[in-house]
Amino acid sequence: AQSVTQLDSHVSVSEGTPVLLRCNYSSSYSPSLFWYVQHPNKGLQLLLKYTSAATLVKGINGFEAEFKKSETSFHLTKPSAHMSDAAEYFCVVLPDDYKLSFGAGTTVTVRA
Amino acid sequence: EAGVAQSPRYKIIEKRQSVAFWCNPISGHATLYWYQQILGQGPKLLIQFQNNGVVDDSQLPKDRFSAERLKGVDSTLKIQPAKLEDSAVYLCASSLVGDDNTIYFGEGSWLTVV
Repeated sequence: AQSVTQLDSHVSVSEGTPVLLRCNYSSSYSPSLFWYVQHPNKGLQLLLKYTSAATLVKGINGFEAEFKKSETSFHLTKPSAHMSDAAEYFCVVLPDDYKLSFGAGTTVTVRA
Repeated sequence: EAGVAQSPRYKIIEKRQSVAFWCNPISGHATLYWYQQILGQGPKLLIQFQNNGVVDDSQLPKDRFSAERLKGVDSTLKIQPAKLEDSAVYLCASSLVGDDNTIYFGEGSWLTVV
């Protein structure tokens, strides 16, 4: 069985400061890992994905995530937050049986 | 490349009425998912198809929800009769089976039951 834990339900940052969203997973397999963003009243947009290639993954809009197998973590970062980054972020695990597991989500607010 | 298409985008119905949502996945995608997302929560899997076969429907309330993917392409999710607690966004997603297993989501179908 697999599970995903997003360690922060809410993150608040000032515009221009770094953002860190934490995600830990448990899986019996070597999973694929994704981060999705959901803006208010919108669908889910893929930010980036890890599929056993490079452990540091770069995504859209300046986001990147690092896969650390020893820590079973896949934390999402951005060096400088923008007002448009205010949204809900989901960490998602896709193991070999293709049964997706979603984290509970992290709400990001950006202060001017 | 066209994305995952869903319709209708918005629907308001009275409780005990029925509603159907349609999803057309990305061409060639064998796996199709239906998720329910209640406001303020993460998506919850309702049903997962691999081609036209059901992989997982353990969280589908089968007394009122049904879904089909008869030809292994597009899919329909039906709710009959609807309850107030069914108010949610219904997300359809699809993916290939293989190296590029990225899951692509549609914009969602927003249901309000009054």
